[in-house]
Amino acid sequence: NAGVMQNPRHLVRRRGQEARLRCSPMKGHSHVYWYRQLPEEGLKFMVYLQKENIIDESGMPKERFSAEFPKEGPSILRIQQVVRGDSAAYFCASSSALGTEAFFGQGTRLTVV
Amino acid sequence: RKEVEQDPGPFNVPEGATVAFNCTYSNSASQSFFWYRQDCRKEPKLLMSVYSSGNEDGRFTAQLNRASQYISLLIRDSKLSDSATYLCVVNRDDKIIFGKGTRLHILP
Repeated sequence: NAGVMQNPRHLVRRRGQEARLRCSPMKGHSHVYWYRQLPEEGLKFMVYLQKENIIDESGMPKERFSAEFPKEGPSILRIQQVVRGDSAAYFCASSSALGTEAFFGQGTRLTVV
Repeated sequence: RKEVEQDPGPFNVPEGATVAFNCTYSNSASQSFFWYRQDCRKEPKLLMSVYSSGNEDGRFTAQLNRASQYISLLIRDSKLSDSATYLCVVNRDDKIIFGKGTRLHILP
């Protein structure tokens, strides 16, 4: 029973390129959360999705960032026209239902050069 | 006021000592509570859930005080391997909120 799978583990992009981060939740989990963590800082909530629905995107920057969780396939966090300030670790977590514990993937470390 | 607040530390504690962390939350509608542990550059991992009646898992004890809106974590007989950042987590209907974490260093 695989855990939460994120890929790629490391991603390097030049300024202005697009970054796509993928997250496959644990089997049976329909709730997906994305967090960003800057070096030496805490986890910052970005977005909460269920299948085909964005439930809460209050933590997402209003421009360049989008997220989806299609009926089939992984959840995708997309960052367009990346800037140096987007460099961070992006963690995805999944849970089976509201109020239950969430399990994390190993994260994607994005470096913008 | 931040939704979940923790003392960032660091707490420098000798091996074998007992250490306790508190975490306060602002939204009384919060429904469930957890402690996670995060090692440097790794993903957070669930340490334990927190129940109103208090719960214990080996050397770890967690408690919830709904009236005062705080949760606590107690670590007894601390080990070097307990060195990590401990994250307080509060769950509502629409999202899971993490505190910024308390850094713990166990000293040999």
